[in-house]
Amino acid sequence: DAKTTQPNSMESNEEEPVHLPCNHSTISGTDYIHWYRQLPSQGPEYVIHGLTSNVNNRMASLAIAEDRKSSTLILHRATLRDAAVYYCILRDPRSSDGLTFGKGTHLIIQP
Amino acid sequence: DAGVTQSPTHLIKTRGQQVTLRCSPKSGHDTVSWYQQALGQGPQFIFQYYEEEERQRGNFPDRFSGHQFPNYSSELNVNALLLGDSALYLCASSLELQQFFGPGTRLTVL
Repeated sequence: DAKTTQPNSMESNEEEPVHLPCNHSTISGTDYIHWYRQLPSQGPEYVIHGLTSNVNNRMASLAIAEDRKSSTLILHRATLRDAAVYYCILRDPRSSDGLTFGKGTHLIIQP
Repeated sequence: DAGVTQSPTHLIKTRGQQVTLRCSPKSGHDTVSWYQQALGQGPQFIFQYYEEEERQRGNFPDRFSGHQFPNYSSELNVNALLLGDSALYLCASSLELQQFFGPGTRLTVL
């Protein structure tokens, strides 16, 4: 799986939008962009995934650059429960390999 | 639906011992993957089981082995434990592109 680059940490205020960036300049045409998050003392949790078009679900939105070399996870209104480590992962659906996690972005939410 | 369950929650072993961790996948999921997460790091893929066979393996030594049963549940075995094997061991079951993780087993090797 191709490598992704994320900031080590970000801080935001409660009830404000949060934009978490991810760079993946070596992404291949068949790689999907996945986001998982890991709350303290829990296993990772799926957030969202996409291929080319922007995606929305009840948890977040995923904005994908036109050249697909970067993406942004958007939390529209952060709450204290969104404090977690967020991982951006590329995965080819044809592969049976596991997910390749980096260190992710530690998101801190201030009340 | 109970989701992915793992047992035990915590475990303490000494160097050289052997350990077995257990995982029950989410209902309807036939693929189970295991990950090791050291403190402050992201999870690292150990291996994946499908139809009772190891389908893919990450960069882990043969001391790490596994098994999948006909009901899709799985075990992770680690032999000759080292201090460096202390970590959170996560099991994930998958349906299509999405993986569902259990809460993990915290293994401490003394």
